[in-house]
Amino acid sequence: DAKTTQPTSMDCAEGRAANLPCNHSTISGNEYVYWYRQIHSQGPQYIIHGLKNNETNEMASLIITEDRKSSTLILPHATLRDTAVYYCIVRVAKSTDKLIFGTGTRLQVFP
Amino acid sequence: SAVISQKPSRDICQRGTSLTIQCQVDSQVTMMFWYRQQPGQSLTLIATANQGSEATYESGFVIDKFPISRPNLTFSTLTVSNMSPEDSSIYLCSATGGASYNEQFFGPGTRLTVL
Repeated sequence: DAKTTQPTSMDCAEGRAANLPCNHSTISGNEYVYWYRQIHSQGPQYIIHGLKNNETNEMASLIITEDRKSSTLILPHATLRDTAVYYCIVRVAKSTDKLIFGTGTRLQVFP
Repeated sequence: SAVISQKPSRDICQRGTSLTIQCQVDSQVTMMFWYRQQPGQSLTLIATANQGSEATYESGFVIDKFPISRPNLTFSTLTVSNMSPEDSSIYLCSATGGASYNEQFFGPGTRLTVL
């Protein structure tokens, strides 16, 4: 699996957009970008995934650059409950594929 | 989405003993996995639990230390054998496939403390 690089930590004011970057310069053509988050003392939670088009769901938006070497997860209106560690993972989109976690970005949303 | 439960949610164990963690999924899934999360660290994959056959272990993890069973499509167990304080971690079960093709769901974890 390709590796990802994320900032160690970020801060965001409540109500503002949180933009979390991820570099995946060695991503293969058949690999998707997945985002998960882990709120303290809970199991990781799926957020969103995409291949090359921008994606949006009820939780977040995913912007993938045209060359697919980087992406940004956007939480449009961050709340205190969005404080968590966010993991960017690349993998082939088969149901049997395991997820390999990097170190992630610790997002702190402040009042 | 699949709902995953784990038992026990936490335990405190003595050095040298073993603990078996159970993972139950509320629907049939294709794959089940076991992860370890040491304090302040990210998740590390221990093994893939294969239904009806031996688990597939990641580098650094062996069957004698972490025996895994998966008797059917909704249940798996992980045993942490001959425990030492270094085994103190959160152990998480996850599953994918079935009705949830692209998502991988996680259980709440089992917090293990070894004295």
